[in-house]
Amino acid sequence: QKEVEQNSGPLSVPEGAIASLNCTYSDRVSQSFFWYRQYSGKSPELIMSIYSNGDKEDGRFTAQLNKASQYVSLLIRDSQPSDSATYLCAVMVERDDKIIFGKGTRLHILP
Amino acid sequence: EAQVTQNPRYLITVTGKKLTVTCSQNMNHEYMSWYRQDPGLGLRQIYYSMNVEVTDKGDVPEGYKVSRKEKRNFPLILESPSPNQTSLYFCASSLIPGRVNTEAFFGQGTRLTVV
Repeated sequence: QKEVEQNSGPLSVPEGAIASLNCTYSDRVSQSFFWYRQYSGKSPELIMSIYSNGDKEDGRFTAQLNKASQYVSLLIRDSQPSDSATYLCAVMVERDDKIIFGKGTRLHILP
Repeated sequence: EAQVTQNPRYLITVTGKKLTVTCSQNMNHEYMSWYRQDPGLGLRQIYYSMNVEVTDKGDVPEGYKVSRKEKRNFPLILESPSPNQTSLYFCASSLIPGRVNTEAFFGQGTRLTVV
């Protein structure tokens, strides 16, 4: 059973600080990795995708991928109250037909 | 505007009364899927479709049916809804997994209550 693991949180971070969200996955041949943000009662929205080892930056967001350690993370710099949401990690395995989601980490930015 | 449209957004129904939740996408995506989301359980895949007339079971298919007669539409059918199907449902579409840029685009969600 392929799994994507995330700490459920809540993770509380002061406004302006860096929020660090982590995700591990079980399948070594996983190919594509995504971070979605979901506000309560709303649909998930894609904020970052990463396909190769290393860092990928987009504005205040940085995704980090380490395939050897089967680990992907999301850093949010200068955290804002509007970043308070649940963050879903998703993994796609090349040979499968599925995108597998973690259960999400609740992030709370403290004003 | 690229989007995935689900209807209805909210639905309250009684046990055993057949219902259909529609899903339509305008991005010409081959891959479409249905998820349910429950507290503490995350997003669980119900059914998915790789293309027209090709559907497969996900992780929690019991009590659901789907069809894919056209590329843009992927309705979810509950033949005889039961209270344990009360949930928040999402439809999603993407390019075929295995290609780059296969991120999923989600519909707005359908909150279903079965009494």
